[in-house]
Amino acid sequence: GAVVSQHPSWVICKSGTSVKIECRSLDFQATTMFWYRQFPKQSLMLMATSNEGSKATYEQGVEKDKFLINHASLTLSTLTVTSAHPEDSSFYICSARPEYEQYFGPGTRLTVT
Amino acid sequence: SQELEQSPQSLIVQEGKNLTINCTSSKTLYGLYWYKQKYGEGLIFLMMLQKGGEEKSHEKITAKLDEKKQQSSLHITASQPSHAGIYLCGADSNRAGGTSYGKLTFGQGTILTVHP
Repeated sequence: GAVVSQHPSWVICKSGTSVKIECRSLDFQATTMFWYRQFPKQSLMLMATSNEGSKATYEQGVEKDKFLINHASLTLSTLTVTSAHPEDSSFYICSARPEYEQYFGPGTRLTVT
Repeated sequence: SQELEQSPQSLIVQEGKNLTINCTSSKTLYGLYWYKQKYGEGLIFLMMLQKGGEEKSHEKITAKLDEKKQQSSLHITASQPSHAGIYLCGADSNRAGGTSYGKLTFGQGTILTVHP
């Protein structure tokens, strides 16, 4: 299957700082990538759709000014959590699809202290 | 919005036993995905089903989508400890205006434990 990578795999930051998470499709190009969030013992919730060359679209209730998404190339999307707070601590996972099948990255564990 | 209900929520089986996990949708499924997740890790793609009555198998895992495309099942034959993990079903969102492919809605997951 296709490979999606994320970096970093885990990050700890102080409250008020910003953190950038990268999502890469390694063996295919993706005009669209998706960002999900997963809280402990819960399922995944879609946050936003990252569109190459245009603005991201956000799900209802997700603050676009807090979660900045940039899709600069056909293989890279970045999620920046701005002015992070402890409640932003979560597991962030991206996904992309070469055709019909959807592949997920390994996830990034964010802890805000 | 579309909701997916998985059952059971957790399952404990002895190695070698067969098991089935179900995923039921409140609306017609247009793309149904099965994933496996280890806690704190990413999702491993298992299978995708699109057509009513479709069935796919990979090694000892078989997934089916019913004719009405509102229920899917995942069956594991002769389970092994390596099958342990969280199994998630996900579906392409069916929203007003059409299906949004790639925007997956997930069930709450089924935690599988396999005792050796």
